[in-house]
Amino acid sequence: GESVGLHLPTLSVQEGDNSIINCAYSNSASDYFIWYKQESGKGPQFIIDIRSNMDKRQGQRVTVLLNKTVKHLSLQIAATQPGDSAVYFCAEIRGGSNYKLTFGKGTLLTVNP
Amino acid sequence: DTGVSQDPRHKITKRGQNVTFRCDPISEHNRLYWYRQTLGQGPEFLTYFQNEAQLEKSRLLSDRFSAERPKGSFSTLEIQRTEQGDSAMYLCATQGGEGPSSGTQYFGPGTRLTVL
Repeated sequence: GESVGLHLPTLSVQEGDNSIINCAYSNSASDYFIWYKQESGKGPQFIIDIRSNMDKRQGQRVTVLLNKTVKHLSLQIAATQPGDSAVYFCAEIRGGSNYKLTFGKGTLLTVNP
Repeated sequence: DTGVSQDPRHKITKRGQNVTFRCDPISEHNRLYWYRQTLGQGPEFLTYFQNEAQLEKSRLLSDRFSAERPKGSFSTLEIQRTEQGDSAMYLCATQGGEGPSSGTQYFGPGTRLTVL
């Protein structure tokens, strides 16, 4: 069964607000977590990643937080823009798994102008 | 554009026909993955190549499915005797380097298969 899941299937925010997308995982052996963005009709696009020995990592307008105690991952998007509207997936790589990705179902982010 | 290309982008076929998809990876990437994605779901792993060797296949990959990467560059995924349940987006992803810190996989645009 799936070990990576998302708390909310949809999220609607106003342009300029910050967005937080959450993800829970169950496999404590996971080495590496990645957030992908997928627009309609396109393949997933890499956003940001984090290793299991880190708690936080920042990119351009995005921050990923990892809480290993409660097996929770979040993606924060600052100053959300209409172009951020997409489905967001968290994915994990488990140790010894040939680095294949295990995805959850995704959260649809809608940014209202 | 990630540098991974897939062909065709869309394929409509009748049940029972064979189809073949192609993936051209980022040139220096030695790892290549195929995933399948159905509507509203995340991609699911199908198979993995390191160079020309197919090292792992998912139980999702029935005997009607076969994948090759003959020269360690492009890869093909063939589905024989297609069924309506094969309708999905087929995604190719490639990765280069070693260790989980270089685990970033770059996806192609996918091939949307519709089986009538």
